[in-house]
Amino acid sequence: NAGVTQTPKFRILKIGQSMTLQCTQDMNHNYMYWYRQDPGMGLKLIYYSVGAGITDKGEVPNGYNVSRSTTEDFPLRLELAAPSQTSVYFCASSLENWTGFNYEQYFGPGTRLTVT
Amino acid sequence: AQTVTQSQPEMSVQEAETVTLSCTYDTSESDYYLFWYKQPPSRQMILVIRQEAYKQQNATENRFSVNFQKAAKSFSLKISDSQLGDAAMYFCAYTSGSRLTFGEGTQLTVNP
Repeated sequence: NAGVTQTPKFRILKIGQSMTLQCTQDMNHNYMYWYRQDPGMGLKLIYYSVGAGITDKGEVPNGYNVSRSTTEDFPLRLELAAPSQTSVYFCASSLENWTGFNYEQYFGPGTRLTVT
Repeated sequence: AQTVTQSQPEMSVQEAETVTLSCTYDTSESDYYLFWYKQPPSRQMILVIRQEAYKQQNATENRFSVNFQKAAKSFSLKISDSQLGDAAMYFCAYTSGSRLTFGEGTQLTVNP
């Protein structure tokens, strides 16, 4: 198992450009998440998905879009990049257990994005 | 809304000594999970330990243990016999369903 993989590892964008951060998991987890982590801070939830075709907003969704066409993939789209989106982005996945809770989340290695 | 508070932005410990990291949370739920994650300089988020709220027994994983006080909504992490590799940012996290709420983190330094 590769676990959760993210591409690219690093990216520099100019203001106004767009890009897609890729995330793939091979653990057959139904839940997937996107977080951002600003320097010296904790993780903030951007979007999450409870399964293919279903997504929902987290705490900080503005400026981002997601889709979930397969169980494995959960790309994050940045439209019209702004300096405020400079951050490290983490993708994660988890499996819902029999009680309706999710077990622990497994994280990808992160993507460091700089918008200048 | 649930909140998670880590009141110690930085902590330091001597190698082989014991250190305790604090975490408090606010919730009206009775069933939930609490986690401690470690983030070393590589940035990888690594699960350290998990505690189910319905369990009274404190979770233990080798040198890592928690002190879970449900009534006080407190969830501290104790690291025994600290090692240089324990140096990292530690995050406390809470979930009552599918979404995790993270604290702001505690940066742990281990001095040789």
